[in-house]
Amino acid sequence: DTEVTQTPKHLVMGMTNKKSLKCEQHMGHRAMYWYKQKAKKPPELMFVYSYEKLSINESVPSRFSPECPNSSLLNLHLHALQPEDSALYLCASSRRDGVTYGYTFGSGTRLTVV
Amino acid sequence: QQQVKQSPQSLIVQKGGISIINCAYENTAFDYFPWYQQFPGKGPALLIAIRPDVSEKKEGRFTISFNKSAKQFSLHIMDSQPGDSATYFCAAKYGGSQGNLIFGKGTKLSVKP
Repeated sequence: DTEVTQTPKHLVMGMTNKKSLKCEQHMGHRAMYWYKQKAKKPPELMFVYSYEKLSINESVPSRFSPECPNSSLLNLHLHALQPEDSALYLCASSRRDGVTYGYTFGSGTRLTVV
Repeated sequence: QQQVKQSPQSLIVQKGGISIINCAYENTAFDYFPWYQQFPGKGPALLIAIRPDVSEKKEGRFTISFNKSAKQFSLHIMDSQPGDSATYFCAAKYGGSQGNLIFGKGTKLSVKP
């Protein structure tokens, strides 16, 4: 299995809703990432988990809350989002063996905040 | 500060032609330089990558040329096909086993039949 699976593929939520994005990989990767991508822009890093511990938080607002329940799963909990948070949210994973650094991205969740 | 500068922003190439996308970086601590291909509505997919101790890497129709002294690297797509039409991102990563990928701004490639 060489995939990163993200669900749901599309999500529409109101500004008062609480929702969660899910990400799963079975490649044995011990680093997992959340990226945000706006239209016609490159992906921007939000969070990095390394061995299930949060290692990087790129000053993301607290309305985004990441969680890594185990080495295969990564969640992003959303609460009280703003319309400007509408974007493609990408999950990625990578190995930490110091030999290869390939990042595998999922297809993303297209989030629309109304 | 834009750490990885990518050009051109958009590129139109005839089928069978060569597509060339260039990137430049400043930070010599970068030790891994991948190229990603992204189709609309999809996540980026790793196309090819190079380490700074190698000057060129070829995989099928895709070649990375790396100039360490000039701090530049480029992607060449030979015999470009309409199916290659996508957005291409160069990226760089700091040394060490974990870190952020720093992306260029992307190049939208259109290959005309």
